[in-house]
Amino acid sequence: NAGVTQTPKFQVLKTGQSMTLQCAQDMNHEYMSWYRQDPGMGLRLIHYSVGAGITDQGEVPNGYNVSRSTTEDFPLRLLSAAPSQTSVYFCASKSSGGSFSGANVLTFGAGSRLTVL
Amino acid sequence: QKEVEQDPGPLSVPEGAIVSLNCTYSNSAFQYFMWYRQYSRKGPELLMYTYSSGNKEDGRFTAQVDKSSKYISLFIRDSQPSDSATYLCAMDNYGQNFVFGPGTRLSVLP
Repeated sequence: NAGVTQTPKFQVLKTGQSMTLQCAQDMNHEYMSWYRQDPGMGLRLIHYSVGAGITDQGEVPNGYNVSRSTTEDFPLRLLSAAPSQTSVYFCASKSSGGSFSGANVLTFGAGSRLTVL
Repeated sequence: QKEVEQDPGPLSVPEGAIVSLNCTYSNSAFQYFMWYRQYSRKGPELLMYTYSSGNKEDGRFTAQVDKSSKYISLFIRDSQPSDSATYLCAMDNYGQNFVFGPGTRLSVLP
């Protein structure tokens, strides 16, 4: 059981380049999300999805795009990278619905460390 | 004012000490409270979760919630060097999106 898998682990981009961070989960979770983590700022929600074909914006969506064509995958696209997008990105997923339990809390991937020069 | 406040530390304690980590929050709609542990260069991993006010114990860890004061705590007894990590509190109103504190960095010295 792999959980949440993120690729790549590290990436260096030049300003203006585009790229996609991949996220896949094998737990059949309906909810998937992307966070960025910056020193002193904690985890901030970028985009999230409650199921295939449904996405919505979080706290800091500008400069990022997402799609959810399958339950398992939730890629994050940087359209035109900027130095302000230098951060560590985490994908997380959880089960939705039912009584609150350990299944309804977020499971995180290992992170993707992005540097934009 | 941030929705969730947490002392960023760093907090250094000797091995065997009792550690108290705390978060305050402003949204009274939060009902579900979580603590995550994050080792350096790793993703956060769930440590404990609890619903509403009261205490929950799991081994050396105790989570405490006081909804009337909008205050949650995580206590670590007999702390070990392996407990050295950043601890993130998180809360939810069983909507869809969790709100995280900025994290407290803990170092347990042997």
